[in-house]
Amino acid sequence: EPEVTQTPSHQVTQMGQEVILRCVPISNHLYFYWYRQILGQKVEFLVSFYNNEISEKSEIFDDQFSVERPDGSNFTLKIRSTKLEDSAMYFCASSDGGRRTNEQFFGPGTRLTVL
Amino acid sequence: KQEVTQIPAALSVPEGENLVLNCSFTDSAIYNLQWFRQDPGKGLTSLLLIQSSQREQTSGRLNASLDKSSGRSTLYIAASQPGDSATYLCAVRDAGGTSYGKLTFGQGTILTVHP
Repeated sequence: EPEVTQTPSHQVTQMGQEVILRCVPISNHLYFYWYRQILGQKVEFLVSFYNNEISEKSEIFDDQFSVERPDGSNFTLKIRSTKLEDSAMYFCASSDGGRRTNEQFFGPGTRLTVL
Repeated sequence: KQEVTQIPAALSVPEGENLVLNCSFTDSAIYNLQWFRQDPGKGLTSLLLIQSSQREQTSGRLNASLDKSSGRSTLYIAASQPGDSATYLCAVRDAGGTSYGKLTFGQGTILTVHP
């Protein structure tokens, strides 16, 4: 069964460093998303991406964040200068974009630890 | 702004019991509602998706209902098993022209089924 994959599973970085989190969405899906979950808190929406551009972003998704689909399979989230409060589990999701369903399928997550 | 609340926050039951998890949302203008399961330190597994036009959806021992007008959904788990122990998350996708499938999550119900 197709699934969303994410790498790495765990990333440790120093404050101020840049990190890139990688995702491979399900191959025939058209909509891509990033969410994050700070330990003990709700899962929060960061950004949605369609047709090679951002379609919606939350207030969390400031200028330090960017997303890219560099080729036909990968979808990346870049944090330019990490802060301690960026420590969280980051989930990638994808959907086929059908307005009747739009069921979102999530990857296993990348745990980001900023020291 | 959509707010999603789940009750109870935690539930502990003996194996074999039938149980109900509750989800409420503040804005009834939704496209659909998804129930997820999250195991500790893991990703989100989609369990059921209910369209706004549907009243319920079933998958195996799981049954989810939706009362859109009152802003409520329930997840019914029949004959619970220790393997059902996990956090159960409810998420809604808002209707509206600016939404591209962003999900708003509740904080989850932590379920423990003991033998």
